[in-house]
Amino acid sequence: NAGVTQTPKFQVLKTGQSMTLQCAQDMNHEYMSWYRQDPGMGLRLIHYSVGAGITDQGEVPNGYNVSRSTTEDFPLRLLSAAPSQTSVYFCASSYGSKETQYFGPGTRLLVL
Amino acid sequence: GNSVTQMEGPVTLSEEAFLTINCTYTATGYPSLFWYVQYPGEGLQLLLKATKADDKGSNKGFEATYRKETTSFHLEKGSVQVSDSAVYFCARGGNTDKLIFGTGTRLQVFP
Repeated sequence: NAGVTQTPKFQVLKTGQSMTLQCAQDMNHEYMSWYRQDPGMGLRLIHYSVGAGITDQGEVPNGYNVSRSTTEDFPLRLLSAAPSQTSVYFCASSYGSKETQYFGPGTRLLVL
Repeated sequence: GNSVTQMEGPVTLSEEAFLTINCTYTATGYPSLFWYVQYPGEGLQLLLKATKADDKGSNKGFEATYRKETTSFHLEKGSVQVSDSAVYFCARGGNTDKLIFGTGTRLQVFP
């Protein structure tokens, strides 16, 4: 098993550009989520999904969109990047929010 | 609301010292509680967990007991090593389908 994979590892964007952060898992997990990690703020939940076709907002959803068309993939879209979205983004998956989360290696995003 | 509060760091200790990192939570119902660890340059990985009141999670010499009466899940280790230097996150998962993390506590252990 590859576990949870994320691409790209690092990305630089200009303000206003759009991009998609990819996340995939091969463990047949129903629950997937996106977090951002900022100094002094810990991990904050952006969006999550309890299964294919179902998504919901987390603590900081503004500026981000998600979709879950398959069990394996959970992409995170930035429609118009802002410097405030400079962060490290982690994707995670599990059998549920009460279960152990498996994290990807992270994507470091810099918005200029 | 539902939240997780953990002590601010950094926590600086000498090798073989006793470690406590406090964590308290608010939640309705009976959440599951977790400690995750992030080593430098890596993603998070599960350290230990507890799923019901009075459960004790343990791993690699670390322990935490689910205390419903004090809504706490403090992390302890009797004798820390330099290799334990990392950021530790307390987290709560449960009824609302959201897993919520604390802000993290950086531990630095010196020889």
